[in-house]
Amino acid sequence: DVVMTQTPLSLSVTPGQPASISCRSSQSLLSSDGKTYLYWYLQKPGQSPQLLIYEVSRRFSGVPDRFSGSGSGTDFTLKISPVEAEDVGLYYCMQGTHLPLTFGGGTKVDIK
Amino acid sequence: QVQLQESGPGLVEPSETLSLTCDVSGYSISSGYFWGWIRQPPGRGLEWIARIYHSGITNYNPSLKGRVSISVDTSKNQFSLRLTSVTAADTAIYYCVRLPPDYWGQGILVTVSS
Repeated sequence: DVVMTQTPLSLSVTPGQPASISCRSSQSLLSSDGKTYLYWYLQKPGQSPQLLIYEVSRRFSGVPDRFSGSGSGTDFTLKISPVEAEDVGLYYCMQGTHLPLTFGGGTKVDIK
Repeated sequence: QVQLQESGPGLVEPSETLSLTCDVSGYSISSGYFWGWIRQPPGRGLEWIARIYHSGITNYNPSLKGRVSISVDTSKNQFSLRLTSVTAADTAIYYCVRLPPDYWGQGILVTVSS
């Protein structure tokens, strides 16, 4: 299985400041079709995860442009700039290139 | 808008079979996409369980060691999960999703206990 490693485990951010989360995969996520199936999710307290970013850098419908994704191969980053109070929760990366689909362990973001 | 809703028992006895159904609205399963299940033990991370295409193509997470099966009923626009020989380790919130996971159900907590 592809292991997804997220850092840091937790992050405390001042509203208005940027935040960055890293996700590293144990294998390249570049698919034979030329696409890289790396996703980012936010799970707010008591809610289902919601898709933020798909295929490394594409924002899902309705996601604010303060969320951006980047990376390639095995190293990926989610940036939030600027962070707002409503962005608190658990952030997960997920790879969809290899079966089984696997998730990172999560990064907890809270507000200072 | 695509909506998914899980249903099934919230309590299952050890060694029994967990059965859940996901009703889909706002999109026809027959139109495409894989559909599947993801679970989250209380206070822990996310684990993909299984997926199915409307044609019946299925994929399973090997970690569940053959205990899991997924099926689809296109006439009812729903799909289902069966997990046999459950133990306390199967206690989790079970989410049904359209894959790759863009739309999620609200989740259903299933507790395995006697």
